[in-house]
Amino acid sequence: DQQVKQNSPSLSVQEGRISILNCDYTNSMFDYFLWYKKYPAEGPTFLISISSIKDKNEDGRFTVFLNKSAKHLSLHIVPSQPGDSAVYFCAASPGVKTSYDKVIFGPGTSLSVIP
Amino acid sequence: EAGVVQSPRYKIIEKKQPVAFWCNPISGHNTLYWYRQNLGQGPELLIRYENEEAVDDSQLPKDRFSAERLKGVDSTLKIQPAELGDSAVYLCASSMVPSGTEAFFGQGTRLTVV
Repeated sequence: DQQVKQNSPSLSVQEGRISILNCDYTNSMFDYFLWYKKYPAEGPTFLISISSIKDKNEDGRFTVFLNKSAKHLSLHIVPSQPGDSAVYFCAASPGVKTSYDKVIFGPGTSLSVIP
Repeated sequence: EAGVVQSPRYKIIEKKQPVAFWCNPISGHNTLYWYRQNLGQGPELLIRYENEEAVDDSQLPKDRFSAERLKGVDSTLKIQPAELGDSAVYLCASSMVPSGTEAFFGQGTRLTVV
């Protein structure tokens, strides 16, 4: 049973528009959430994170929103650029001070930004 | 500073053959992880090392998989014998401490078992 779900396997967005990637989780013990970005033939790289004490975290063009009651988070990319085309993994952890091996990854969403 | 280095990048073997993957973590990172990523799925942890000690190998299929991290630096993951279902990308990651915000991943080894 998947504890972290990304129900959209793929997403296409026009350059300059907003990309919204969604993630749902089932385990109420999750307290810390991360987004990773992965280009083909490369390993995942950390993008942005959010703790459950916040509902929003922003870093440049990337913003993550957390709705803890709905067990839902989303990653917004504004404006989208062709270089953002990659697979985005949502991940969840029982807490930032918890051992990293407790991090659970979702299946990923492949984003294509069309020039 | 060099990132996490893995080799080989690609490996094709016949089933029942052995295979080994190598990982050199970022210098100074005491924690090392091996993940398996199946097609269309996220990475799943196989084993975590703290220095040379395997502290979480509950997800490692011990009948055919083994790992070692001699001297607490680089690590090797072995499969013997390989099965068709072992085809996946094997990712190594490292972090300075076992907890925290992120781990740094290598490029992975794509294994195809035919």
